[in-house]
Amino acid sequence: TQLLEQSPQFLSIQEGENLTVYCNSSSVFSSLQWYRQEPGEGPVLLVTVVTGGEVKKLKRLTFQFGDARKDSSLHITAAQPGDTGLYLCAGGETSGSRLTFGEGTQLTVNP
Amino acid sequence: DTGVSQNPRHKITKRGQNVTFRCDPISEHNRLYWYRQTLGQGPEFLTYFQNEAQLEKSRLLSDRFSAERPKGSFSTLEIQRTEQGDSAMYLCASSFTTQGPLHFGNGTRLTVT
Repeated sequence: TQLLEQSPQFLSIQEGENLTVYCNSSSVFSSLQWYRQEPGEGPVLLVTVVTGGEVKKLKRLTFQFGDARKDSSLHITAAQPGDTGLYLCAGGETSGSRLTFGEGTQLTVNP
Repeated sequence: DTGVSQNPRHKITKRGQNVTFRCDPISEHNRLYWYRQTLGQGPEFLTYFQNEAQLEKSRLLSDRFSAERPKGSFSTLEIQRTEQGDSAMYLCASSFTTQGPLHFGNGTRLTVT
C-alpha cells in the first residue's frame, strides 16, 4: 500500500501570513491531487499535477510536484480566514484505479 | 451537473443493526468510488466501480460490507451487523476518466451507538 504523509498535521496562523504544507511518500505516483475540505462537506479538488517538477499557481496558492514524483507542496501566500479548512493530498497509482489520500493538514487562519 | 448526491446525510443506528447508504454520481461518470473518513483523517479507499463492475475492494471492506451498482448508475453501500468502529463519514465520489479528478458528495455520517 502506498502511503502519503502530510505535515504539519495542524497549522494555526494569522491572516496575512504565508504557509507551506508538505506531502511526502516513498512511492512514485503517476499524479498528485490537492483537495480542500470544509466541515460536513466532501473534499473539493484544487489542482492536479502530473509531471515531475511541475509548478501550478492558483491565485495565492502555488503547488509543486517533486522531480521524482514522490512528494508535493502547497504554498499559500497572504492567507485569509476563508482559506481555513482541511487540505488533503492524494496520489494516483499507476494502475489508475484509486487515489490514496494523506491524513490531511488542518489549517486555521485567524482574523 | 447536479453533483454527487448521497443519502441519508446522517444515520444513527444501534450496534448490530444493518444500514444502507445510497450514492447518485454525476450522470456521465462511469467510475464510482466509496471512501470512509474518520474525524481529522484523510479518506480511506473502500471500493471502486467501473460501470456496474466492482473492480477493486480494500482489505478494510470486511464481509459485513457490501456495495452494489446494479445498472451502472447509482450505488448502495450496506453494512450488516454494525459495530461502534463503523462510525465514520462515508464518502462517495465519481469521475469521468481514469485518474481524473474525483467529485465527492457531502457524505453520510454514520453513528453507531
